[in-house]
Amino acid sequence: QVQLVESGGGVVQPGRSLRLSCAASRFRFMMSGMHWVRQAPGKGLEWVSFISPGGAKKDYTESVKGRFIISRQNTRYTLYLQMDSLRVEDSALYYCATDGEGGSLDNWGRGTLVSVSS
Amino acid sequence: SDVVTQPPSVSVAPGETARITCGGDNIGSKTVHWYQQKPGQAPLLVMLYGSDRPSGIPERFSGSKSGNTATLSINKVEAGDEADYYCQVLDSRSDHRVFGGGTKLTAL
Repeated sequence: QVQLVESGGGVVQPGRSLRLSCAASRFRFMMSGMHWVRQAPGKGLEWVSFISPGGAKKDYTESVKGRFIISRQNTRYTLYLQMDSLRVEDSALYYCATDGEGGSLDNWGRGTLVSVSS
Repeated sequence: SDVVTQPPSVSVAPGETARITCGGDNIGSKTVHWYQQKPGQAPLLVMLYGSDRPSGIPERFSGSKSGNTATLSINKVEAGDEADYYCQVLDSRSDHRVFGGGTKLTAL
């Protein structure tokens, strides 16, 4: 059973930073690509970022490029999302998810809430 | 990036069949996945490669594709199927994951 638990969310002012974490149960974490997906209140799902199993490949949606950095520490079974220069429009529930077959996202955490407000 | 469109809502009577569509340019050539999200819960993958059900997903759920439209069908809809449903594809140029806007299914 894959378990993913996000943490690190909170209320911050525009321009500030937050670092999200996603703790994974000891499934084949080191062999799994990982994603961050966000969902603004009352809105749909938006893919944010992807990291390959070894961390060499990273990718971001256009709106967060240059502000967010995805990383992982496989020895600690943990995924991270460093979010800098936060904007009001970054406010959302942030989910981590595993990369599945055919580009799907096959296991999801319950999310951590980020609120950016002055 | 690619744009994927879904109807905002679908309503069916319990026991009937719900059909939720997902359209966009070249959907016919893309791999489509479907997710169910109940209120207050994380998304759940319910259909893989457009027509393969992951383990644990009821046989009432099926998927198909015709032309530039993918369809998630739910037979004999139950109150417990009420949720938001999202389709997802890979962007043709970047491999970014692209979600449709979601469809709210209501069992009248």
